[in-house]
Amino acid sequence: QAQLVESGGGVVQPGTSLRLSCVASGFTFSKYALHWVRQAPGKGLEWVAVISHDGRTERNAESVKGRFTISRDNSRNTVYLQMNTMRDDDTAVYYCARCLGTFGELFPFDYWGQGTRVTVSS
Amino acid sequence: EIVMTQSPATLSVSPGERATLSCRASQSISSYLSWYQQKPGQAPRLLIYGASTRATGIPARFSGSGSGTEFTLTISSLQSEDFAVYYCQQYDNWLTFGGGTKVEIK
Repeated sequence: QAQLVESGGGVVQPGTSLRLSCVASGFTFSKYALHWVRQAPGKGLEWVAVISHDGRTERNAESVKGRFTISRDNSRNTVYLQMNTMRDDDTAVYYCARCLGTFGELFPFDYWGQGTRVTVSS
Repeated sequence: EIVMTQSPATLSVSPGERATLSCRASQSISSYLSWYQQKPGQAPRLLIYGASTRATGIPARFSGSGSGTEFTLTISSLQSEDFAVYYCQQYDNWLTFGGGTKVEIK
């Protein structure tokens, strides 16, 4: 059974940085693209970033472009989200999610982590 | 960016009744549409992909239809565990979610 476990959330001040991690197990990590999705308090889902199975391709949502960077380490079965110059509106629960299909990035998400909460506040 | 619009925002339904949720895309997305269910404090769960294919383990009372720009999720007979928020997502041109429909007990 595939499993994703996020960590790294917390309370940070505006303008600072935070790195989230998502450790995967139960599947061949290097075959799947991974995404980050966030959900602000009481709001809907917002796609944040994706990285290809081999780490060669990545893409961010416009709302985080130039501030957030997604990366992965296939030897550690881990995907990361480096968040810089954080703003109040980055406050959310951040989920990592696996693509339903192998190798491609544009698939629905069949496995999600439990989420890690990030609060940006002065 | 493709904008996904869900309606209604809230749907009040009695247990055992049928629920019909709508999702509209701002441009054609063929059948690259999925539906998720989210309960409070939980991660979303994939219900439907390819507009009409049920994900593994999803009960037959959930069905999806549509193509192009108009899509529907139908829950044929609502069970107590189905009261939740439902999101549609397009994956034709990158990824965007709809705003969600909350299905509540009438």
